[in-house]
Amino acid sequence: DGGITQSPKYLFRKEGQNVTLSCEQNLNHDAMYWYRQDPGQGLRLIYYSQIVNDFQKGDIAEGYSVSREKKESFPLTVTSAQKNPTAFYLCASVGGPYGYTFGSGTRLTVV
Amino acid sequence: QKEVEQDPGPLSVPEGAIVSLNCTYSNSAFQYFMWYRQYSRKGPELLMYTYSSGNKEDGRFTAQVDKSSKYISLFIRDSQPSDSATYLCAMSERGGGYNKLIFGAGTRLAVHP
Repeated sequence: DGGITQSPKYLFRKEGQNVTLSCEQNLNHDAMYWYRQDPGQGLRLIYYSQIVNDFQKGDIAEGYSVSREKKESFPLTVTSAQKNPTAFYLCASVGGPYGYTFGSGTRLTVV
Repeated sequence: QKEVEQDPGPLSVPEGAIVSLNCTYSNSAFQYFMWYRQYSRKGPELLMYTYSSGNKEDGRFTAQVDKSSKYISLFIRDSQPSDSATYLCAMSERGGGYNKLIFGAGTRLAVHP
């Protein structure tokens, strides 16, 4: 089955720690996106990539970093510079004009 | 002012009711309009999509776009408890992955038996 897989489902981060969220797709999509979802605020764009080895900042990129070394993979690192990282993180890949396919999300909590 | 405004609800209706969900937007360049359904602790899934103005119907769901008023709607007929979810509107100027999608805040819907 084609799809997009995010892992882990739940992640706990200590103060000052960097953590990496995984996003893998086997849909052969070129474009991939990372969104952050907070209650009452909808989805906010962190980073996106339209092609391998290229990515662009979204609206709330500060404190985050990404890489796109392979078409299938678009990992997101939440760095210690992100002061309020507790949120639900969603990865999406895009094929076709309406073809945003989302993963099942990673819930990150600071402990 | 946000580019896309959506009442977060919550909206509570009895089973069988007609539900109307709405979004307004400010960017007249938006041409692709989508509705996503998101169950608790899950990723959003595409429910309906339309291009430019007009209506689109799929089973119990109807999506409407009024570009002159910058207003989109999703109607759910004969609502079921399984429709209980958060509904997100989304829109973009161009289709595909080359133009980012702008989302509303989402409306939480509860359909009670």
